[in-house]
Amino acid sequence: QVQLVESGGGVVQPGRSLRLSCAASGFTFSSYAIHWVRQGPGKGLEWVAVISYDGNNKYFADSVKGRFTISRDNSKNTLSLQMNSLRTEDTAVYYCARPHSGNYFAALDIWGQGTMVTVSS
Amino acid sequence: EIVLTQSPGTLSLSPGERATLSCRASQSVSSSYLAWYQQKPGQAPRLLIYGASSRATGIPDRFSGGASGTDFALTISRLEPEDFAVYYCQHYGTSPFTFGPGTTVDIK
Repeated sequence: QVQLVESGGGVVQPGRSLRLSCAASGFTFSSYAIHWVRQGPGKGLEWVAVISYDGNNKYFADSVKGRFTISRDNSKNTLSLQMNSLRTEDTAVYYCARPHSGNYFAALDIWGQGTMVTVSS
Repeated sequence: EIVLTQSPGTLSLSPGERATLSCRASQSVSSSYLAWYQQKPGQAPRLLIYGASSRATGIPDRFSGGASGTDFALTISRLEPEDFAVYYCQHYGTSPFTFGPGTTVDIK
């Protein structure tokens, strides 16, 4: 079935880096943009970043711009979020999510289960 | 950046009652690019409504969405026990694709 599975979360010290992955299955990954959305403990949803189906276009929230990068490998059906210079406020569950149509201007109908990132000394 | 404001913050209702949730945008948002999501504790969000008024696949018809200018609404005609959750609106017409702060619908 259509599925997204995140991995790579964990505990990391402020200022360090972490790389999250999102593995896709059950659909033509190379035809879809993919978003990252996060949710801090007890907080609401915060959109983080999106990458186009071919990897050529990327957009980021101001809160992560310059610190996070996003990439994809369509041959492996995987997406990555490289998080550098992590701050305590980056602590959150990170979800990858697929728009219901191919481009990023569409609502998110498929979500992963999330992976927890804790930034703490 | 488009800021979405949701009201009320919490809605306390009983099963069978009607729920009306509001989402107001800080500037014009094309109705084509407004979605509603439901989230239950420990779960990922679930898409309910896209394009302001179109139900996503498998969503019961007690959920409906509407729009008037910069004001959007999600209506649950008769609350079922499984509908008590947090609801978020999101616009996706331009980056950043911001979410509203959410409305909690809890049992009265």
